[in-house]
Amino acid sequence: AQTVTQSQPEMSVQEAETVTLSCTYDTSENNYYLFWYKQPPSRQMILVIRQEAYKQQNATENRFSVNFQKAAKSFSLKISDSQLGDTAMYFCASAYGGATNKLIFGTGTLLAVQP
Amino acid sequence: NAGVTQTPKFQVLKTGQSMTLQCAQDMNHNSMYWYRQDPGMGLRLIYYSASEGTTDKGEVPNGYNVSRLNKREFSLRLESAAPSQTSVYFCASVGGILNTEAFFGQGTRLTVV
Repeated sequence: AQTVTQSQPEMSVQEAETVTLSCTYDTSENNYYLFWYKQPPSRQMILVIRQEAYKQQNATENRFSVNFQKAAKSFSLKISDSQLGDTAMYFCASAYGGATNKLIFGTGTLLAVQP
Repeated sequence: NAGVTQTPKFQVLKTGQSMTLQCAQDMNHNSMYWYRQDPGMGLRLIYYSASEGTTDKGEVPNGYNVSRLNKREFSLRLESAAPSQTSVYFCASVGGILNTEAFFGQGTRLTVV
């Protein structure tokens, strides 16, 4: 079965500081993909960053980067230079390739950036 | 440049009433999904459709039915609404790079009283 676990329901960080959100996953697939989505108060789901499991290099997108530990099935998100606009719910998700592309989400981490 | 269009945005139902949530995408994606979002539980998959003409159950399918009317449209039906179905519902279609990027509708806040 495909599962995604986020063990931090809420986190807080000061503006301009760095914060790391944790995620672990379980899958029996060899070809899979991992994602972090952001959901601000507007409720819109926004893709933050994507990691292909076959790539050893950690993905980065501006202030957002991941620490992908394949053997440990860990996929954490690091936000550098936190901004007030980063305040949101963050969801970790996994999908595996092929025709089905079933996308499964974790329970989310509510991040509050404090001024 | 609509992407995924989901209607309605808000709905209040009485217990036992039925309704259909509509979803349409204009990105020519094969895969479409319905999720429900509840506090502390993240997004849980209700049903998905890997391609036109096929549908499969997700984690929480009970009380719901779906129809993949054509490649563009994927509807979710509640035949007899229950208070436990009070939730925010999201439709998504999957495509983009590597055919794994999900594009979401704006969500439907459904309250069953």
